Amino acid sequence: LAKTTQPISMDSYEGQEVNITCSHNNIATNDYITWYQQFPSQGPRFIIQGYKTKVTNEVASLFIPADRKSSTLSLPRVSLSDTAVYYCLVGDEVYNTDKLIFGTGTRLQVFP
Amino acid sequence: KAGVTQTPRYLIKTRGQQVTLSCSPISGHRSVSWYQQTPGQGLQFLFEYFSETQRNKGNFPGRFSGRQFSNSRSEMNVSTLELGDSALYLCASSPRGGVLNTEAFFGQGTRLTVV
Repeated sequence: LAKTTQPISMDSYEGQEVNITCSHNNIATNDYITWYQQFPSQGPRFIIQGYKTKVTNEVASLFIPADRKSSTLSLPRVSLSDTAVYYCLVGDEVYNTDKLIFGTGTRLQVFP
Repeated sequence: KAGVTQTPRYLIKTRGQQVTLSCSPISGHRSVSWYQQTPGQGLQFLFEYFSETQRNKGNFPGRFSGRQFSNSRSEMNVSTLELGDSALYLCASSPRGGVLNTEAFFGQGTRLTVV
């Protein structure tokens, strides 16, 4: 399963755009890139998933370059409620569920 | 529709004891996955059950076991508890399996403290 590397923490202010980049140099052909959000004392929540290029939903955008060795989660105009830990996962659960690793994620702190 | 329900929410046990945690998935979901979350290791996959069968297993000792019932509810058991088993235990349910999909939802977890 592809190993991912993302910053341990990031700070931002309300109203700013936040971009969190994840490196996954060993991504496999079948792998998708999935981002999860976790608030304290809650389970993770699925945010967005993509395979290549750009994906956008009502919460975030996900940018994936052509080589797919990295991806960037973009949160537009963050608010205090976006303070959370964000996890980047790369994998294909059809074959690799037992190797799925969330890691320690990126702790985003949004200030007023 | 009701979400994933984990019980109990908090638990304190003594070293050497055993513990059973419960997870009730979203109605209609046949897969339940279990994860252990600790500050140092992050979220780690324990095992997944689908239609009462263990489909995948992570790299945890045999003290960690689970099962799934015909109504898809799942239980996780940890025997001979160690201090290092103190963690937030999370379960996730999905219709067809895994968590890398838009239909997977996590519960709020059970916080286990071993003293």
